[in-house]
Amino acid sequence: DAKTTQPTSMDCAEGRAANLPCNHSTISGNEYVYWYRQIHSQGPQYIIHGLKNNETNEMASLIITEDRKSSTLILPHATLRDTAVYYCIVRDTTSGTYKYIFGTGTRLKVLA
Amino acid sequence: DVKVTQSSRYLVKRTGEKVFLECVQDMDHENMFWYRQDPGLGLRLIYFSYDVKMKEKGDIPEGYSVSREKKERFSLILESASTNQTSMYLCASSLFLTVNQPQHFGDGTRLSIL
Repeated sequence: DAKTTQPTSMDCAEGRAANLPCNHSTISGNEYVYWYRQIHSQGPQYIIHGLKNNETNEMASLIITEDRKSSTLILPHATLRDTAVYYCIVRDTTSGTYKYIFGTGTRLKVLA
Repeated sequence: DVKVTQSSRYLVKRTGEKVFLECVQDMDHENMFWYRQDPGLGLRLIYFSYDVKMKEKGDIPEGYSVSREKKERFSLILESASTNQTSMYLCASSLFLTVNQPQHFGDGTRLSIL
């Protein structure tokens, strides 16, 4: 079972910031939050990950709440090419495989 | 940038055939993974490898085997393909097997078993 919950879909105007929320209320102390996106017919693309501090890279920013029970991925200036399914993932550390458990994700549509 | 290359984007095979899916990574990563992705089921781990000639079963290994003879290459083998193995297959790699190392995925192989 996925350890995260995300809205099913969101729209965002081109050029505006896209804010994608994620709840991970059962996250434990050593578990990182990862974000990936998947454009139709391609493999998942790594975006960013974090533990408890906010993170920023060339693609996006990740804001993690102080209690770590939720996070927000921010695409600062969304473009049409950002239309994709976005997955928020907390890795399973219990089995030793460090596998990903992908939920259903948020389908982001960037509108012209 | 990390590059994970899967040998085929689309593949059509027949029931009972032995099928080989190949994956190559160019970043000297220690770990490689095979997942399958099906609508409504998300990604499910089939096998992973943490070193050359080493492998571990994931959640759904039945009907599959793997081979890792070289560090950069990880092969998934369907011993006798069946229609329920029609799926999108994704290969991934990561530098180390720790919680703060992201996995990087290839573009997938969409396999159809007729």
